[in-house]
Amino acid sequence: GNSVTQMEGPVTLSEEAFLTINCTYTATGYPSLFWYVQYPGEGLQLLLKATKADDKGSNKGFEATYRKETTSFHLEKGSVQVSDSAVYFCALSDLTGGGNKLTFGTGTQLKVEL
Amino acid sequence: ETGVTQTPRHLVMGMTNKKSLKCEQHLGHNAMYWYKQSAKKPLELMFVYNFKEQTENNSVPSRFSPECPNSSHLFLHLHTLQPEDSALYLCASSQSSGASGANVLTFGAGSRLTVL
Repeated sequence: GNSVTQMEGPVTLSEEAFLTINCTYTATGYPSLFWYVQYPGEGLQLLLKATKADDKGSNKGFEATYRKETTSFHLEKGSVQVSDSAVYFCALSDLTGGGNKLTFGTGTQLKVEL
Repeated sequence: ETGVTQTPRHLVMGMTNKKSLKCEQHLGHNAMYWYKQSAKKPLELMFVYNFKEQTENNSVPSRFSPECPNSSHLFLHLHTLQPEDSALYLCASSQSSGASGANVLTFGAGSRLTVL
């Protein structure tokens, strides 16, 4: 079956540091890949997505590139802010059952300090 | 609010109680979901509804009983729960299965359930 593996957190960084959160996946076929973010006390929000190999998703300074050869979708940001503190979830979906069954990772908590 | 509203936000119940979680969306979506979020575990998909019809039950124990009276409302009825059922229960919605955007979910803030 499908699975998503994320690096364990928490990840603690100073403001303006470079961020990488690793994500690898196992799936049949050609899944779409996502990063969702959960701010404290809120539900998950879509951050970015990529639907095919070599696509780069980007939003709010975050980027992730769909790497089929390494089955990875690592999240990066060049300069984090305190407001980026949240839990980040990597996820995938395939076309099974109409394409709306997402498989999520365990989430990686990011803490950004001044 | 994100467009998906969940009530109550917090719920404490005993193992013999019966309670319900409610979810409402006004996004025009036709698919709705229940997920369970537990610490250090992946989000667990529980149920999926497309156009009010249940299309996925991910081997969820019968003490959890979903209800979807229309495409905008989703309930999760709870009875004789166990302490290990304590978790954050997230509702989500999307375009229906097979439609463009079906895999882009909008989540509610969740209902934090504690079973004593």
